[in-house]
Amino acid sequence: QKEVEQNSGPLSVPEGAIASLNCTYSDRGSQSFFWYRQYSGKSPELIMSIYSNGDKEDGRFTAQLNKASQYVSLLIRDSQPSDSATYLCATGGGRRALTFGSGTRLQVQP
Amino acid sequence: GAVVSQHPSWVICKSGTSVKIECRSLDFQATTMFWYRQFPKQSLMLMATSNEGSKATYEQGVEKDKFLINHASLTLSTLTVTSAHPEDSSFYICSARGTDYNEQFFGPGTRLTVL
Repeated sequence: QKEVEQNSGPLSVPEGAIASLNCTYSDRGSQSFFWYRQYSGKSPELIMSIYSNGDKEDGRFTAQLNKASQYVSLLIRDSQPSDSATYLCATGGGRRALTFGSGTRLQVQP
Repeated sequence: GAVVSQHPSWVICKSGTSVKIECRSLDFQATTMFWYRQFPKQSLMLMATSNEGSKATYEQGVEKDKFLINHASLTLSTLTVTSAHPEDSSFYICSARGTDYNEQFFGPGTRLTVL
């Protein structure tokens, strides 16, 4: 069983809408969670990190963590075509390597 | 802050040659660095983890004699692909974590093409 699960998509949303990306994980001991954005042909870029249950907001991005249900989500408000990319959920950190999901491809339609 | 660079950004070499890729943390000290490989339309695959001054820890199935990793300082790690073959053609990406960060920051990647 894969440790971090994501729907591969593509998730298609119209410009200006809210994009909702979800991720579940199997390791109940996980403490740190990250969302990365990866454009085609580029390396991943860190968008958000979250460590506590609840919501964390940064600009148009909101990360949500529910450790009891073992899921993490990322909301992107006012989606723009430039947000079109693959979004990677990851857990781990510190000296441990990150465990990545396979990523969700987001397409924002102009 | 937390900028990671890689050099070269792309390289083309002949089969049988060795290629060295450098990964540098520009504005922080990287106690741990990670090397990944990514084939087109596939997920990141962790190759190895290296801590400054220690031998790298390789993931299962990664040949340590073929992919030599050196993390000699807190700002530099190198990956050498020895006797490269066309099947080694891929996108190689490093990431780094510093003492003040829990997050890992990725370099821009190196695209290797072996002819």
